Amino acid sequence: DAGVTQSPTHLIKTRGQQVTLRCSPKSGHDTVSWYQQALGQGPQFIFQYYEEEERQRGNFPDRFSGHQFPNYSSELNVNALLLGDSALYLCASSSGLAVTDTQYFGPGTRLTVL
Amino acid sequence: EDQVTQSPEALRLQEGESSSLNCSYTVSGLRGLFWYRQDPGKGPEFLFTLYSAGEEKEKERLKATLTKKESFLHITAPKPEDSATYLCAVQAIGSQGNLIFGKGTKLSVKP
Repeated sequence: DAGVTQSPTHLIKTRGQQVTLRCSPKSGHDTVSWYQQALGQGPQFIFQYYEEEERQRGNFPDRFSGHQFPNYSSELNVNALLLGDSALYLCASSSGLAVTDTQYFGPGTRLTVL
Repeated sequence: EDQVTQSPEALRLQEGESSSLNCSYTVSGLRGLFWYRQDPGKGPEFLFTLYSAGEEKEKERLKATLTKKESFLHITAPKPEDSATYLCAVQAIGSQGNLIFGKGTKLSVKP
């Protein structure tokens, strides 16, 4: 049973560029959440996708956008990159129909902005 | 404002020396409290979900407990492979999926 997968593993960009990160959820899951984890901090919620729509959003600017595809996989896009966007980006999947949706995390994408 | 505070920030134990990690939370209504383990540079690995005060869950050397204000992760006779950062997160009633995390406790177990 494949868990949550993310690509790429590492990414280096320069300020002002745009980046796309990808996530495939755990088998049987239909909901994808994205988190940003700065060094030494806990993950911070960016947004959640369910049925191809953004269901909830955290306190992140519009430069952060996402998409969910019919096969439940998801993309996170970040425009006009800033140095402060350097972080580990985590994708988590869960079942939208569960009473309490325990989220299972992928290995993350390490983004470095120079 | 919903928030989670974990203590201590770091904990160094000798192999076999039992201890507890604390997670204090403030939330309008608790839907669930989650414990994760995170190794350096990796994604969090799910450990436990607790739903209501008085609930306890165990897995190998780990035991999680929950009260109305805090949760404890008890580690019995730890081994070096238990070294990791342990993260606590809460989900509020009415939240569609937003997990609110603490900063974590970094545990080091020396042989």
